[in-house]
Amino acid sequence: DSGVTQTPKHLITATGQRVTLRCSPRSGDLSVYWYQQSLDQGLQFLIQYYNGEERAKGNILERFSAQQFPDLHSELNLSSLELGDSALYFCASSAGTALSGNTIYFGEGSWLTVV
Amino acid sequence: AQKVTQAQTEISVVEKEDVTLDCVYETRDTTYYLFWYKQPPSGELVFLIRRNSFDEQNEISGRYSWNFQKSTSSFNFTITASQVVDSAVYFCALSAKGAQKLVFGQGTRLTINP
Repeated sequence: DSGVTQTPKHLITATGQRVTLRCSPRSGDLSVYWYQQSLDQGLQFLIQYYNGEERAKGNILERFSAQQFPDLHSELNLSSLELGDSALYFCASSAGTALSGNTIYFGEGSWLTVV
Repeated sequence: AQKVTQAQTEISVVEKEDVTLDCVYETRDTTYYLFWYKQPPSGELVFLIRRNSFDEQNEISGRYSWNFQKSTSSFNFTITASQVVDSAVYFCALSAKGAQKLVFGQGTRLTINP
């Protein structure tokens, strides 16, 4: 158990809908990362927050947004869903930031299926 | 830019065989960190090891060992006496200065047959 908690574990929704994925980082970790894993793209970095502030952005679509709350939990909002958004979405956390060499621990992921 | 290449897409061996997973990385930074993660069929990503660019000592943890060679930009992972429970997708990843993220290789699917 990595200590990173993600909910829901599985989600099936229709195209055009909006979903919210939730993440609680490991106790004491200030950084939260979101990654998307799809069959054709592999593991892609979406976005990172550090202590409530956005620190880095990757290949995140405009239809997607995220935030980190004062209690350090994070949410990833996916809207106007398309079939191609079906993927495993990972949240990860670390004590500091990635470039300081902190180990990044991943949650179990949220499986999103868009039908 | 940073890049990680895992040339072996799939490997299949018989239980008790030794197996090495290759990882080659690219970065212009002198300070960087290398990781290995395991993704079993259940889907979660499990952290295995972190190595910084200043420490080229090889590491052994039980049946697992890692060989870091800066001269060839490689960070290979060996499983000795493989077991069926080792079956998973293994990812090598790089975190370098200037990149607030992990860059992952495409992964190697390892199947251990009984």
